[in-house]
Amino acid sequence: NAGVMQNPRHLVRRRGQEARLRCSPMKGHSHVYWYRQLPEEGLKFMVYLQKENIIDESGMPKERFSAEFPKEGPSILRIQQVVRGDSAAYFCASSPVLESNPGELFFGEGSRLTVL
Amino acid sequence: TQLLEQSPQFLSIQEGENLTVYCNSSSVFSSLQWYRQEPGEGPVLLVTVVTGGEVKKLKRLTFQFGDARKDSSLHITAAQPGDTGLYLCAVHSMNRDDKIIFGKGTRLHILP
Repeated sequence: NAGVMQNPRHLVRRRGQEARLRCSPMKGHSHVYWYRQLPEEGLKFMVYLQKENIIDESGMPKERFSAEFPKEGPSILRIQQVVRGDSAAYFCASSPVLESNPGELFFGEGSRLTVL
Repeated sequence: TQLLEQSPQFLSIQEGENLTVYCNSSSVFSSLQWYRQEPGEGPVLLVTVVTGGEVKKLKRLTFQFGDARKDSSLHITAAQPGDTGLYLCAVHSMNRDDKIIFGKGTRLHILP
């Protein structure tokens, strides 16, 4: 059973370029969360998605950032026109039906974005 | 306003000592999770507590959920270097539609 798969593990972009981070949830999981983590800090919520629906995007900047979880394929976190402040580790987590196990997330190993 | 307050922020102790870290809030939660994160990796779920006053044990780790379901503690007995890591608490509030929020964590370092 494959866990949550994130790619790329490391991504380097120059200011103004686009970054696309992918997340394939665990098999059977229909909920995906994206979190951002700066060095020596905890996880900051960005967005919560179910298949084809954004449930809560209150933690995601309104400009330059977008997320999707299509019916087929991985969830994608897209950052347009990256700036140095976007440099961070971005973690994806998946969960099965939350009613049976609220709050239990399975995390990928993260994608580390560096903006030059 | 930080929903979850974790303390201490940093803790460095000798191997074999006992320690307790805390996760506090003024809000009531339907459940609370503890995760451990090692450098370069994603967090890994340790335990879920649901019932007020609940105590769960995982080898040398003891987790307790406050009676009012507003806070939790993690006690480690006879700490070992392998316990080193970032300990995060997370909550899913009473509103089932709400996101899952993490505290800033306690960074634990066990000295051999």
